[in-house]
Amino acid sequence: AQKITQTQPGMFVQEKEAVTLDCTYDTSDPSYGLFWYKQPSSGEMIFLIYQGSYDQQNATEGRYSLNFQKARKSANLVISASQLGDSAMYFCAILEDSSYKLIFGSGTRLLVRP
Amino acid sequence: DARVTQTPRHKVTEMGQEVTMRCQPILGHNTVFWYRQTMMQGLELLAYFRNRAPLDDSGMPKDRFSAEMPDATLATLKIQPSEPRDSAVYFCASGLVPPLRQRNSPLHFGNGTRLTVT
Repeated sequence: AQKITQTQPGMFVQEKEAVTLDCTYDTSDPSYGLFWYKQPSSGEMIFLIYQGSYDQQNATEGRYSLNFQKARKSANLVISASQLGDSAMYFCAILEDSSYKLIFGSGTRLLVRP
Repeated sequence: DARVTQTPRHKVTEMGQEVTMRCQPILGHNTVFWYRQTMMQGLELLAYFRNRAPLDDSGMPKDRFSAEMPDATLATLKIQPSEPRDSAVYFCASGLVPPLRQRNSPLHFGNGTRLTVT
C-alpha cells in the first residue's frame, strides 16, 4: 500500500503568490512524523519542515507552513509569497515510530513564474 | 554547521566492478538511511541502521548490494558486481529517530553520490 501520496506531479504558481502542495498518507501507527523536503535542480535534498503526529499546532518555518489534518491524514505544504528560487521538486515523507522507516512520496515539481 | 558527508560525489565505473559509497553521518544522530533516486522509481529506501544495527535492508537487491556501519562515523553501501541498471544517485541521510517531540526535527541528507555504470 502506498504510504505517501502526492497527487500533483507538477504545479505552476505566480511569483509572490501562495501555493499549496498536497500530501496524504496512510498509517495505522499512532505515532509518526511528517517531513517536507525541497530538491532544486542542483540535486541536494533540503529539509523544510517537520510535523509530529502529536503536535497540537501546525508547524511553521518562515514562509513554509504545514496544514496538518490528522483525521484526513493530510499534511499539505503551504508556501507563502513564492519566489523564483522556490522552483524545485518537493517531497513529502512519513516516518513511523514503530518501524523508524522514512518513506517518500513521488514528489511535486513546482515552477514559479515571474 | 553539521552536515552529512558522502563520498565520492561522482563515480563512473564499468559493469562488473565493485563500487563502494561512503557516508559520514552527523555526530549524535542515531539513525542512518540509504536511498537510491532514479527518474523512474523516485526515492527508494535501500537500507537503514539505528544505533549502528541494521533494521531493514529489504529494499536492496541482496545478491549484489550490501550495507554496513562499521562505526558511528561511517556507513558504507557496496555494489558487487555493478550493473548499468544501478546507475542512479545514492543518498545517505541521518537523524535522531524517533524525532524529538518538538517542531523541526530534521533528518539531514548528504549531497549524494551520482553513480554511472557503463
